[in-house]
Amino acid sequence: GAVVSQHPSWVICKSGTSVKIECRSLDFQATTMFWYRQFPKQSLMLMATSNEGSKATYEQGVEKDKFLINHASLTLSTLTVTSAHPEDSSFYICSARDSGGGGQPQHFGDGTRLSIL
Amino acid sequence: SQQGEEDPQALSIQEGENATMNCSYKTSINNLQWYRQNSGRGLVHLILIRSNEREKHSGRLRVTLDTSKKSSSLLITASRAADTASYFCATDELSFGAGTTVTVRA
Repeated sequence: GAVVSQHPSWVICKSGTSVKIECRSLDFQATTMFWYRQFPKQSLMLMATSNEGSKATYEQGVEKDKFLINHASLTLSTLTVTSAHPEDSSFYICSARDSGGGGQPQHFGDGTRLSIL
Repeated sequence: SQQGEEDPQALSIQEGENATMNCSYKTSINNLQWYRQNSGRGLVHLILIRSNEREKHSGRLRVTLDTSKKSSSLLITASRAADTASYFCATDELSFGAGTTVTVRA
């Protein structure tokens, strides 16, 4: 089945550090990838939609200069949390949708747990 | 804004029993999807049901869709301890509800 690899699985770093998270579709091409944030015992909140070769579309309230998204190829999207602070600590999950046509389900990575000290 | 809303929030059942959870949504959809999330992990896609379908089966899973009521249900039959997880519905707008946490007791 379709596999999405997300790396790293967890990060612990000091306040002010920038952290890059990678999301790769391993066996399919994804023109569109999605980045979510999830707080404990809560739902996934869509942060942005990453489009290959163009700018990401951010949801209302998400700072694009804080959460930089790059989708340089059909199999890789990256999310960089710039100058991270403790309030950015969360579980970040990416997903990718097969470019093969409409109605395709999303395939999720295993998430990245980010802890900012 | 959240489109899918699951009910109940939490469910605890004995192994072998059936588990039913519901999802309501607000606007018209093309399809609705159910996902499972084990603690601390990503989501696993379970079933996609299209707006012109009323029922769909996959193994021990049965999903119904009532577009007139803007609701869907997920039934897990003969539950197992491994079914312990959170279950989310999502509409084609990529909006997830808060999920139903299912605990299956051995």
